[in-house]
Amino acid sequence: AQKITQTQPGMFVQEKEAVTLDCTYDTSDPSYGLFWYKQPSSGEMIFLIYQGSYDQQNATEGRYSLNFQKARKSANLVISASQLGDSAMYFCALGGYSTLTFGKGTMLLVSP
Amino acid sequence: GAVVSQHPSWVICKSGTSVKIECRSLDFQATTMFWYRQFPKQSLMLMATSNEGSKATYEQGVEKDKFLINHASLTLSTLTVTSAHPEDSSFYICSARDAVQGAAAVDQPQHFGDGTRLSIL
Repeated sequence: AQKITQTQPGMFVQEKEAVTLDCTYDTSDPSYGLFWYKQPSSGEMIFLIYQGSYDQQNATEGRYSLNFQKARKSANLVISASQLGDSAMYFCALGGYSTLTFGKGTMLLVSP
Repeated sequence: GAVVSQHPSWVICKSGTSVKIECRSLDFQATTMFWYRQFPKQSLMLMATSNEGSKATYEQGVEKDKFLINHASLTLSTLTVTSAHPEDSSFYICSARDAVQGAAAVDQPQHFGDGTRLSIL
């Protein structure tokens, strides 16, 4: 069975500062993927970043980077230079052969 | 690229009505689409996996006769909530994965539609 855990219900950060959103996972699959999605209040799910279990380097996409520590089974999202538009719900997801298992999400609020 | 269109965005209807939600992949082909349900302030819950040309695979606890899924083409899947009641009110969102040849499924992100807010009175 796959399990994904986001322990931070909410996070606050000031504009222009960096913030780390935590995500831990558990799976018995030898190959898997870790994904982060952003969900603004309007509801759409926006794909942010992906990390494959066999990737040697941490994934980066613009201001987003994924701190992947395979031995600890963690895949934390780091947002650098936070912007007001980053305020949203963030979901970590574990991808197996076919489906995604989502964490409960972390609400991020960026203040001026 | 990888745009998924979901329609309608909002539905308000009377109890007992059947509601159809469409999910289209606009610029790629999707042999597999997914339907999720999300309650306020909660995570996405997978309802079913929609496979083109075959029957959908439903998650445990999801009523097949209540939530009819049809995936008639590589770009369209539909979810029909039959005889909807107030407890069916929720946010429904679909996703599709670009079937990139040679790439493992675990490496492909799911691309989501904008969701449908369903309110049954």
